[in-house]
Amino acid sequence: GDSVTQMEGPVTLSEEAFLTINCTYTATGYPSLFWYVQYPGEGLQLLLKATKADDKGSNKGFEATYRKETTSFHLEKGSVQVSDSAVYFCALRRVNAGKSTFGDGTTLTVKP
Amino acid sequence: DVKVTQSSRYLVKRTGEKVFLECVQDMDHENMFWYRQDPGLGLRLIYFSYDVKMKEKGDIPEGYSVSREKKERFSLILESASTNQTSMYLCASTFTGGRTGELFFGEGSRLTVL
Repeated sequence: GDSVTQMEGPVTLSEEAFLTINCTYTATGYPSLFWYVQYPGEGLQLLLKATKADDKGSNKGFEATYRKETTSFHLEKGSVQVSDSAVYFCALRRVNAGKSTFGDGTTLTVKP
Repeated sequence: DVKVTQSSRYLVKRTGEKVFLECVQDMDHENMFWYRQDPGLGLRLIYFSYDVKMKEKGDIPEGYSVSREKKERFSLILESASTNQTSMYLCASTFTGGRTGELFFGEGSRLTVL
């Protein structure tokens, strides 16, 4: 079955540091890939997505590139802020599938 | 602005009580989902529905049931609440098909069972 493995947390960084959260997946076919973010006390919201190989999703300074050859979708940001402190989830969904498959989430804390 | 609305942000119930968690979406989505979120366990799918009156078990359906009488509304029911059902419950919805297929989540309902 489908699976998503993401970097274990928690991750603690200083403000303006570079962020990478690794995500790899296993799925049949060509899934769409997503990063969701959950701020404290809230539900999840879409951060970025990519629907085919070599696509780059980007939003709010975050980027991730759909790498089919390595089955990866790593999240990066060049300079994190305190306001980026949240839980980040990598996920996939196959075309016309009902369910999504989520990673376990990575908690990021950014200190001033 | 698209929206998924969960009826209660915080609930406190007693063991054995029947609990209803309501979710409404205004995006005409076919698919709706109920997840629970617990520390260290990520998101676990309880039930989902791909059409009115249709439902499918997720990974942890035991102790739960669902109802989807109208397209926009998906209810999660705990017939007899137990303390191990204390958790954050998240509702989500999305379209069927298409390549994008991102989920839209509600704010969550934090349930405490005493």
